[in-house]
Amino acid sequence: ELKVEQNPLFLSMQEGKNYTIYCNYSTTSDRLYWYRQDPGKSLESLFVLLSNGAVKQEGRLMASLDTKARLSTLHITAAVHDLSATYFCAVEGNDMRFGAGTRLTVKP
Amino acid sequence: KAGVTQTPRYLIKTRGQQVTLSCSPISGHRSVSWYQQTPGQGLQFLFEYFSETQRNKGNFPGRFSGRQFSNSRSEMNVSTLELGDSALYLCASSLGPGQSPLHFGNGTRLTVT
Repeated sequence: ELKVEQNPLFLSMQEGKNYTIYCNYSTTSDRLYWYRQDPGKSLESLFVLLSNGAVKQEGRLMASLDTKARLSTLHITAAVHDLSATYFCAVEGNDMRFGAGTRLTVKP
Repeated sequence: KAGVTQTPRYLIKTRGQQVTLSCSPISGHRSVSWYQQTPGQGLQFLFEYFSETQRNKGNFPGRFSGRQFSNSRSEMNVSTLELGDSALYLCASSLGPGQSPLHFGNGTRLTVT
């Protein structure tokens, strides 16, 4: 059974700092997604990573995929308060399996 | 283009009742998936429909069922509600199976008392 593990589950960081969220998964897949969820809102697609070595960047967020290590990272550069949200990675197997989410809080 | 529409947004039911939730996908999207989101279990896959056929089903009891209509709209039904069914139910659509990413609706918040 496909398992997706994210860490950390909670992340409190100061504005201007950098940090990385990790997403490990248990079986072979070359399709990985990152979503963002704001409190009380639905999930918004951030990145689609479809091959080994894929790297995508949008603003202060950069996602990468290493299919051999079964690992994806979401790197946050110079965090700002607007990035506060819960971030989910999801891996496509027979269905789309989500990690538990990382609740990010960016403090001034 | 209109997004994924879920109705109703909020529901309060009592134990033992049944409930039907509705999802209208983005125009042109033919695949619809349902997820249950709770604080304790996170996002759990319920089922996926494509061309009116259930492609996959998650690890939920038979009280949870769904269907998809010829216009790709989908409904899910939960019978004999239990307190533990209280959750946010999210519907997501895509062009087809494996045609990422999923586009999520705002969800239906179900409270069972």
